[in-house]
Amino acid sequence: EDQVTQSPEALRLQEGESSSLNCSYTVSGLRGLFWYRQDPGKGPEFLFTLYSAGEEKEKERLKATLTKKESFLHITAPKPEDSATYLCAVQADAGGTSYGKLTFGQGTILTVHP
Amino acid sequence: DAGVTQSPTHLIKTRGQQVTLRCSPISGHKSVSWYQQVLGQGPQFIFQYYEKEERGRGNFPDRFSARQFPNYSSELNVNALLLGDSALYLCASSLPTSTDTQYFGPGTRLTVL
Repeated sequence: EDQVTQSPEALRLQEGESSSLNCSYTVSGLRGLFWYRQDPGKGPEFLFTLYSAGEEKEKERLKATLTKKESFLHITAPKPEDSATYLCAVQADAGGTSYGKLTFGQGTILTVHP
Repeated sequence: DAGVTQSPTHLIKTRGQQVTLRCSPISGHKSVSWYQQVLGQGPQFIFQYYEKEERGRGNFPDRFSARQFPNYSSELNVNALLLGDSALYLCASSLPTSTDTQYFGPGTRLTVL
């Protein structure tokens, strides 16, 4: 069974204080690892997809990296508007079909204080 | 371009009732997936539909059912509601392509009293 564990559960940062969120996963053949941002009461907003170990992607103050067992979301010089829940999800390789179930972690609640 | 839309935004039902939630995917997307998100947890997969066919089902009871229409919109039905069905129900659409990136709608907040 696919499993995703995120740590820490909650993270409080001062504005400008860089840090990283962790996503550990076990999956029977990784098709893709996804990062989403979710604001309270809203749907998840897509950030990144990573496909293979060693891959990195960046968007503004966010950088996502992938190894064979975990992914990191690095936040550089965060601002209060970066406060949200960050969700990690994996999609298993279903043998070429379009079956695309995502298995999510519980999320990391990030709070950035001014 | 319009994103994924869901209706209604909020819904209050009582135990034992039935509910239907609706989803319209991004234009050009042919696959729709449904997820349940209980407060404080990550979304849990319920169903995926592609070209009106069920492609996958999560670990949910038969009280949950869904369908996809020729225009690729979708409905999620839940019968005999329980208090534990209270959650945010999310719809996601994807092309699908080999990337299978899923884009989520705003969700429907269901409260069961």
